[in-house]
Amino acid sequence: EDKVVQSPLSLVVHEGDTVTLNCSYEVTNFRSLLWYKQEKKAPTFLFMLTSSGIEKKSGRLSSILDKKELFSILNITATQTGDSAIYLCAVASGTYKYIFGTGTRLKVLA
Amino acid sequence: GAVVSQHPSRVICKSGTSVKIECRSLDFQATTMFWYRQFPKKSLMLMATSNEGSKATYEQGVEKDKFLINHASLTLSTLTVTSAHPEDSSFYICSAPTSGGAPNEQFFGPGTRLTVL
Repeated sequence: EDKVVQSPLSLVVHEGDTVTLNCSYEVTNFRSLLWYKQEKKAPTFLFMLTSSGIEKKSGRLSSILDKKELFSILNITATQTGDSAIYLCAVASGTYKYIFGTGTRLKVLA
Repeated sequence: GAVVSQHPSRVICKSGTSVKIECRSLDFQATTMFWYRQFPKKSLMLMATSNEGSKATYEQGVEKDKFLINHASLTLSTLTVTSAHPEDSSFYICSAPTSGGAPNEQFFGPGTRLTVL
């Protein structure tokens, strides 16, 4: 059975801290791994990763994929209160099917 | 980027009534759309794949007679929760891939929050 597991389930940090969120997967017909940020409504896209070892960056966020060990990490440096959200990892399997992880709930305290 | 809309954004209904949720791709055609359900503080669970012009494909454990899906056109899929009960209260989100986007990229609608009293 395909599965995507994220850790930790929740995290509380202070502004300025750096956090690392983990996503491991066991999925047949892997196509890509995606990270989303979800606040109150639908998820918003952060990154799509298809190749191992290539880091993707966007401001204070970065992510990398290891297809050999079947995991990805999402790093957030110098966290701000606006980073508080649920971070979802999804693996695209087959044509368009997404399998979502359990999510990591991040709370950044001022 | 591509835009997906959902209507209504929020609905409150009495137990036993049916509720229809619409998902529209606004500036692209989508032969496939996906319906997800999200319980509070939980991740998104894929319910079904909506296919234009053919029957929807349901995930294991999802009752197809309970959650009726119709993909009537290349820009519209509807999810009808029939005879809704309080346990159907949830956040329902649709998504659609676009051929103009990156491979495997999907665009999510804003979601519909259903509360069944």
